[in-house]
Amino acid sequence: DSGVTQTPKHLITATGQRVTLRCSPRSGDLSVYWYQQSLDQGLQFLIQYYNGEERAKGNILERFSAQQFPDLHSELNLSSLELGDSALYFCASSVGDTGGEQYFGPGTRLTVT
Amino acid sequence: GENVEQHPSTLSVQEGDSAVIKCTYSDSASNYFPWYKQELGKRPQLIIDIRSNVGEKKDQRIAVTLNKTAKHFSLHITETQPEDSAVYFCAASKGSGTGGSYIPTFGRGTSLIVHP
Repeated sequence: DSGVTQTPKHLITATGQRVTLRCSPRSGDLSVYWYQQSLDQGLQFLIQYYNGEERAKGNILERFSAQQFPDLHSELNLSSLELGDSALYFCASSVGDTGGEQYFGPGTRLTVT
Repeated sequence: GENVEQHPSTLSVQEGDSAVIKCTYSDSASNYFPWYKQELGKRPQLIIDIRSNVGEKKDQRIAVTLNKTAKHFSLHITETQPEDSAVYFCAASKGSGTGGSYIPTFGRGTSLIVHP
């Protein structure tokens, strides 16, 4: 157990819908990272928040957005869902200043039908 | 941006053999190289990492070597066991921003199969 929690574990929804994925980082970690893992694209970095502020952006679609709240939990919002958005979504956390080590949550499996 | 190539995509070995997975990276500024193990349906787990000021690091049966000049790094697993069977991902990253964040670029993964 990494100490990072994600809810829900599984999500099945229809195209065009909107969903919210939630992540709670390890105690003491200030950074939260979101990743998408699909069979054809591998592990893709989406976005990072550090202590409530957006810090880095990767291959995140405009239909996707995220935020980190004062208690440091983070939410990833996916809207106008398409079949191709079906994937495993992981969040990871790190302290942020020690450089590098990231601890992954168990993931949310999103299926868009 | 950074590009990480990982080989082989599949590696099949007998229990007790050694396994080597190799990665190359493109950005000479990358300075942190973690390796993750991911079992089927589970989260990636950090198993070992190395920074650019070190050439080799060992942790029991696993070791990582880094050649900065050639921009490649490798994962070595000795005395493999069936429970080592998983997908292994390498990554390369460098610090960015003021928060010390390291955004990794991942390789495509190696599926390691250890036959009893």
